[in-house]
Amino acid sequence: DVKVTQSSRYLVKRTGEKVFLECVQDMDHENMFWYRQDPGLGLRLIYFSYDVKMKEKGDIPEGYSVSREKKERFSLILESASTNQTSMYLCASSLRQVPYFNTEAFFGQGTRLTVV
Amino acid sequence: AQSVSQHNHHVILSEAASLELGCNYSYGGTVNLFWYVQYPGQHLQLLLKYFSGDPLVKGIKGFEAEFIKSKFSFNLRKPSVQWSDTAEYFCAVTHGSSNTGKLIFGQGTTLQVKP
Repeated sequence: DVKVTQSSRYLVKRTGEKVFLECVQDMDHENMFWYRQDPGLGLRLIYFSYDVKMKEKGDIPEGYSVSREKKERFSLILESASTNQTSMYLCASSLRQVPYFNTEAFFGQGTRLTVV
Repeated sequence: AQSVSQHNHHVILSEAASLELGCNYSYGGTVNLFWYVQYPGQHLQLLLKYFSGDPLVKGIKGFEAEFIKSKFSFNLRKPSVQWSDTAEYFCAVTHGSSNTGKLIFGQGTTLQVKP
């Protein structure tokens, strides 16, 4: 079974802190994703990585950065946490899509981040 | 930009009622379509997916979805819901011609099934 592991289930951080959310997958997937999940807004893509050191902005990248130094690990960084970044953060991974053929994404359990 | 819309934000049904959740996407090219489900306290998991071929796709737990290209829709259906179907449901899409697989989700629909 594919396993996507997020380092923390719950985090509480102070405004202005630099926050690191870590995600590791064990199935040699090329693609990794960071989403935030908020009630009524669904899953919004923050950043997407399709290979080591490669990244692409999603719909809401402001206030976030990412790092993909190794294939299995994808980190989300909040440079200076703010209260409006309080949310559930979900990491996912998938195989790289071959044109006209895709595979599903597998999700971690999520990190509930509260910024106070 | 590519987007996905789910029209029903909160649906309440009694057990044995039929379910249909709407999903529309904005991209005009070839797409791959997915429905994911998140049961309370659990991670997202795949219900079903469409890549090509028969537009009527069957998934787990008795769910099915129909791809209607002319309507840009991929609605989820179940003939008779159970209390255990209470969950949040997400429609998602990737570009079929993409060689990466960037996955975009809709806003989600919360389904509450009353026993």
